Amino acid sequence: EPEVTQTPSHQVTQMGQEVILRCVPISNHLYFYWYRQILGQKVEFLVSFYNNEISEKSEIFDDQFSVERPDGSNFTLKIRSTKLEDSAMYFCASNDAGKAYEQYFGPGTRLTVT
Amino acid sequence: AQKVTQAQTEISVVEKEDVTLDCVYETRDTTYYLFWYKQPPSGELVFLIRRNSFDEQNEISGRYSWNFQKSTSSFNFTITASQVVDSAVYFCALSEADAGGTSYGKLTFGQGTILTVHP
Repeated sequence: EPEVTQTPSHQVTQMGQEVILRCVPISNHLYFYWYRQILGQKVEFLVSFYNNEISEKSEIFDDQFSVERPDGSNFTLKIRSTKLEDSAMYFCASNDAGKAYEQYFGPGTRLTVT
Repeated sequence: AQKVTQAQTEISVVEKEDVTLDCVYETRDTTYYLFWYKQPPSGELVFLIRRNSFDEQNEISGRYSWNFQKSTSSFNFTITASQVVDSAVYFCALSEADAGGTSYGKLTFGQGTILTVHP
């Protein structure tokens, strides 16, 4: 069964450093998402992406965040200058056209900012 | 704006007990989708069920059952004869949709309920 993959599974970085989280959505999917889950809290929507542009973003997704689909397979989330409060699990998700109700989630990347 | 409330922060039961996890939602849309996800200690999100707002039929899948009541804006989840492997965090989520039933995609999650099943 096709699945969404994310790398790395765990990333440790120092405050102020840039970090790129990578996701490979399911190959025929056209819609992509990032969600964040701070430890012990709920999962929060960050951004949705379609047709090489952001379709919606939350208040959390400020200027330090950016997303990109650099090639036909990867979908990345960049955090320009990490803060301690960026420590969280980041989930990538994707869905096929017309099936936004059927999002497939990746296993997550745990980001630890020290 | 959409909102999901899971009032039960933690529930602890003994194996073989039945347990119900509550979920109350708010939305201005008449068309929407509701979901339940399980998050085991390993951290991934495991999809359990999706319902659309037009389908109020209750659903049963093995030991799991779901009760969707539009009148009270609730979508409760019951585990019958709980097992230790059911121990996890359970999230209810909502996705609004247009009148044609096309989801807007963004999922709004509740705070989650930590379920611990003791042997």
